Amino acid sequence: EVQLVESGGGLVQPGGSLRLSCTASGFTFSSYWMSWVRQAPGKGLEWVANIKEDGSEKNYVDSVKGRFTISRDNAKNSLFLQLNSLRAEDTAVYYCAKEGPDEEPIDYWGQGTLVTVSS
Amino acid sequence: SYELTQPPSVSVSPGQTASITCSGDKLGDKYACWYQQKPGQSPVLVIYHDTKRPSGIPERFSGSNSGNTATLTISGTQAMDEADYYCQAWDSSTYVFGTGTKVTVL
Repeated sequence: EVQLVESGGGLVQPGGSLRLSCTASGFTFSSYWMSWVRQAPGKGLEWVANIKEDGSEKNYVDSVKGRFTISRDNAKNSLFLQLNSLRAEDTAVYYCAKEGPDEEPIDYWGQGTLVTVSS
Repeated sequence: SYELTQPPSVSVSPGQTASITCSGDKLGDKYACWYQQKPGQSPVLVIYHDTKRPSGIPERFSGSNSGNTATLTISGTQAMDEADYYCQAWDSSTYVFGTGTKVTVL
């Protein structure tokens, strides 16, 4: 059974930093692209970033470029998202997500971790 | 940037058919997929590659994609299908989600 468990969310002041982690199990982590997707309270889904199986390619939504960094540790079946220069509009539940094989879209999601940016 | 537009809400009676549209420039040239999200839960993939259903998704869910519009159809809608639905496509190395549609089963 695929499991994705996020951690690291919390309350942070504007301009601050946070590092989110996601621990994966139930599949061969090193064989799949992984994504982060966020959802502001009461709002829709917004894709944030993804990373290739070996970490050699990364893509970001324009609104987080230069502030967020996605990374992974295949030896530890872990995905990370470093959030810097946080803004109030970054407040959201952040989901770790597994992408499907052969250019298939996201097929599994974690339960999410809440990031609140407020003074 | 690429945008996908959905109607904010769709209402349907139990047993009837609900159709949710997703509009985007030349969307038919890309693969579209659909996610269902119930309150307080994570999204679930219900359609991918325009028309394919993942294992475990009921046959009443179907999809199509042509021109500028992708459509998710729920046939014989059940009360358990009440949820938010989001379309998604891949464009210029980014995933784009639609604006979301709340399906209400009256």
